[in-house]
Amino acid sequence: QVQLVESGGGVVQPGSSLRLSCAAAGFTFSTHGMHWLRQAPGKGLEWVAGTSSDGINTVYADSVVGRFAISRDNSKNTLYLQMNSPRTEDTGIYYCARDMDTGASGWPIDYWGQGTLVTVSS
Amino acid sequence: DIVMTQSPESLAVSLGERATINCRSSQNVLYSANKKNYLAWYQWKPGQPPKLLIYWASTRESGVPDRFSGSGSGTDFTLTINTLEAEDVAVYYCQQYYSVPRTFGQGTRVEI
Repeated sequence: QVQLVESGGGVVQPGSSLRLSCAAAGFTFSTHGMHWLRQAPGKGLEWVAGTSSDGINTVYADSVVGRFAISRDNSKNTLYLQMNSPRTEDTGIYYCARDMDTGASGWPIDYWGQGTLVTVSS
Repeated sequence: DIVMTQSPESLAVSLGERATINCRSSQNVLYSANKKNYLAWYQWKPGQPPKLLIYWASTRESGVPDRFSGSGSGTDFTLTINTLEAEDVAVYYCQQYYSVPRTFGQGTRVEI
């Protein structure tokens, strides 16, 4: 079955950097778009970034554009989120998720991971 | 950004009764070229990742019980849970995938 396992979360200082990973299994990773989403404490769900199956097309929420970068290594079945210059408002649980189709938009997300907690604090 | 507004925030329903959750989008999410509504519903239980229930506003995901149904078009949508079961206690979210950024409703908590 589809498995998405996030890792790399932790406590990070504002202005530093952190890289999240998501290991995928149970499906052909290279044929699905992928996404990162998050939920801040006491807040709703927020989509953060998406990438097409080949990694060429990427899209971002305005709140992270220019600071975060989504990428993937299809040879390793792994999705990444490079978080540069994180802010306290980036604190939350980050979820990796699979798109039902190959792109980064236009189709629903059909599977989610369990999430990894990122705390941005000095 | 498209704002998604769900109602009610919480809902208490007796076992075997019907639960109805509404979702309204600030902009049309019906794509005229293919006549599809870019609207999904998710169920989220504590300790588990969100589960896709419905997409294209009314298409039930494989394996989802048929007591779950979605309806609506354009800007107004409804998730209906017929004959509520104890395992349906969860928070339910609508989400539009018509445009970037994908946006969610604030969630509706369903309780017994």
